[in-house]
Amino acid sequence: GENVEQHPSTLSVQEGDSAVIKCTYSDSASNYFPWYKQELGKRPQLIIDIRSNVGEKKDQRIAVTLNKTAKHFSLHITETQPEDSAVYFCAADLGGGTSYGKLTFGQGTILTVHP
Amino acid sequence: NAGVTQTPKFQVLKTGQSMTLQCAQDMNHNSMYWYRQDPGMGLRLIYYSASEGTTDKGEVPNGYNVSRLNKREFSLRLESAAPSQTSVYFCASRLAANQPQHFGDGTRLSIL
Repeated sequence: GENVEQHPSTLSVQEGDSAVIKCTYSDSASNYFPWYKQELGKRPQLIIDIRSNVGEKKDQRIAVTLNKTAKHFSLHITETQPEDSAVYFCAADLGGGTSYGKLTFGQGTILTVHP
Repeated sequence: NAGVTQTPKFQVLKTGQSMTLQCAQDMNHNSMYWYRQDPGMGLRLIYYSASEGTTDKGEVPNGYNVSRLNKREFSLRLESAAPSQTSVYFCASRLAANQPQHFGDGTRLSIL
């Protein structure tokens, strides 16, 4: 099955700095990669996603890049703000075969933005 | 539009008791999922239902059963609760593979 590794497990930045979280996946057939943000005590919420036919996607201060050859994808947050502090999860979706319908999540990154 | 609704929000059980967690979605999604999240940990898939009428085991299915009652509802049952099942349980749904999953607010379950 698919395996997703996420790094770093914790990340501390100053307000206004950039933050980068990286994930690698094992199955080259994976073709959909969402990122979720989970604030303390709340549900995970989708913040951005990318499909395998695209190399980069941006949404205001958030961007995701995908390198299919190396099987890794990254989340980039620019001009970080204290409200960006949360746990971030990456995930990979095979989209077919025996794992049809199942997302595989990374272990999560605790991002802390200091004012 | 309520999205994914989970009940109850909180529950305390004694070891050996049984309980069913309820989940319903109103987005006409085909696939539904149950995850558990332990403190400081990631999301671990318990069971999922890729489409109405099918269910499959995830990463940690032992001690749980599921029922896909209809397209809207997917329940999770603990037959004989154990302290190791103390966790936050999230239900999620999505339209199809390669589409975003939408999560409910979670059920916080404590087993004494």
